[in-house]
Amino acid sequence: NAGVTQTPKFQVLKTGQSMTLQCAQDMNHEYMSWYRQDPGMGLRLIHYSVGAGITDQGEVPNGYNVSRSTTEDFPLRLLSAAPSQTSVYFCASSFSGSSYNEQFFGPGTRLTVL
Amino acid sequence: AQTVTQSQPEMSVQEAETVTLSCTYDTSESDYYLFWYKQPPSRQMILVIRQEAYKQQNATENRFSVNFQKAAKSFSLKISDSQLGDAAMYFCAYSRGSNYQLIWGAGTKLIIKP
Repeated sequence: NAGVTQTPKFQVLKTGQSMTLQCAQDMNHEYMSWYRQDPGMGLRLIHYSVGAGITDQGEVPNGYNVSRSTTEDFPLRLLSAAPSQTSVYFCASSFSGSSYNEQFFGPGTRLTVL
Repeated sequence: AQTVTQSQPEMSVQEAETVTLSCTYDTSESDYYLFWYKQPPSRQMILVIRQEAYKQQNATENRFSVNFQKAAKSFSLKISDSQLGDAAMYFCAYSRGSNYQLIWGAGTKLIIKP
């Protein structure tokens, strides 16, 4: 099993550009989520999904879109990048049923917006 | 709203000694879970230990154990026989029983002195 994979590992964008961060898991997990990590702060939830076709907003959803067409993939789209979106982005997945279930994290994407 | 507070931005310990990292949380829920995650310089987020709020017995995982004080809303992590590989950021996190969203503390940087 590859676990949770994220691409790219690093990305530099100019203000106003759009891009998609890719996330895939091969563990047949129903629950997937996106977090951002900023210096001096804990991770903050952007969007999450409890299954294919179902998504919902987290704590900081503005400027980001998601979709979940398959169980395996959960891409995060930045519509018009802003310097405030400079951050490290993590994708996570777990089995549903209980929030006690371990969440597995991808290696992260470091995004810089100039 | 639930919050998680880690009051120690940085801690250091001599190799082979014991260190305790502090975490407090605020919630009005009765059904919830608490977690400690480790993030080494590789950036990979790794689950260290977890606790179910309804269990009075403190969780243990090899050299890692917690001191869960439900009334005080405290959830500290004890690392015994510290090793160089324990050097990392440690994050405390909370989730409600029926909600998969993790709420994170700001983290504690643990330094191991050889």
